[in-house]
Amino acid sequence: AQSVTQPDIHITVSEGASLELRCNYSYGATPYLFWYVQSPGQGLQLLLKYFSGDTLVQGIKGFEAEFKRSQSSFNLRKPSVHWSDAAEYFCAVGAKQAGTALIFGKGTTLSVSS
Amino acid sequence: EPEVTQTPSHQVTQMGQEVILRCVPISNHLYFYWYRQILGQKVEFLVSFYNNEISEKSEIFDDQFSVERPDGSNFTLKIRSTKLEDSAMYFCASSVSTVDTEAFFGQGTRLTVV
Repeated sequence: AQSVTQPDIHITVSEGASLELRCNYSYGATPYLFWYVQSPGQGLQLLLKYFSGDTLVQGIKGFEAEFKRSQSSFNLRKPSVHWSDAAEYFCAVGAKQAGTALIFGKGTTLSVSS
Repeated sequence: EPEVTQTPSHQVTQMGQEVILRCVPISNHLYFYWYRQILGQKVEFLVSFYNNEISEKSEIFDDQFSVERPDGSNFTLKIRSTKLEDSAMYFCASSVSTVDTEAFFGQGTRLTVV
């Protein structure tokens, strides 16, 4: 079955500390991987994506993610968290072809403490 | 920067009523999608649409749902007879027709069925 698992429902990080959000997937085809962020009351904003090539991808707002095929993982990282990063983060997997469904994880809520 | 726009941002309707959620995808995009997010749950795929027909739909997208591209700019989701469990945030998204591309999401319409 195709699925995305985000094992951490809620994470609290101190401002300035590093962050890693975990994502594991199960997908039958070559996966396209995404991280989206949702601030309260807002829509989904794409942070970064992996299609092919370099397994370490850079995104907006200083985020990066590493694709590890052997572990079926696509973890999101940021070296220094800012208070404005508090939001919900969704990992998603999809297929190469346009028009196919994205499968989302349940999300991880990030809180940032001062 | 081009964006997907959705109207209204919030709609309240009585159970059994029909609702139409509207979306204006990014102008050069050809694939269109609807997703929903029940409060506290993950984002779920409903349907994708290309060339005036449904490309893919999920089990959620039953006979009470329909989509339409009534003109060159709008993309609508109709729910014929709303139920309490249809209360959710509905996201529209669009993507270009080539591979190696991501879906761009709108801000969402929060539908509340009372």
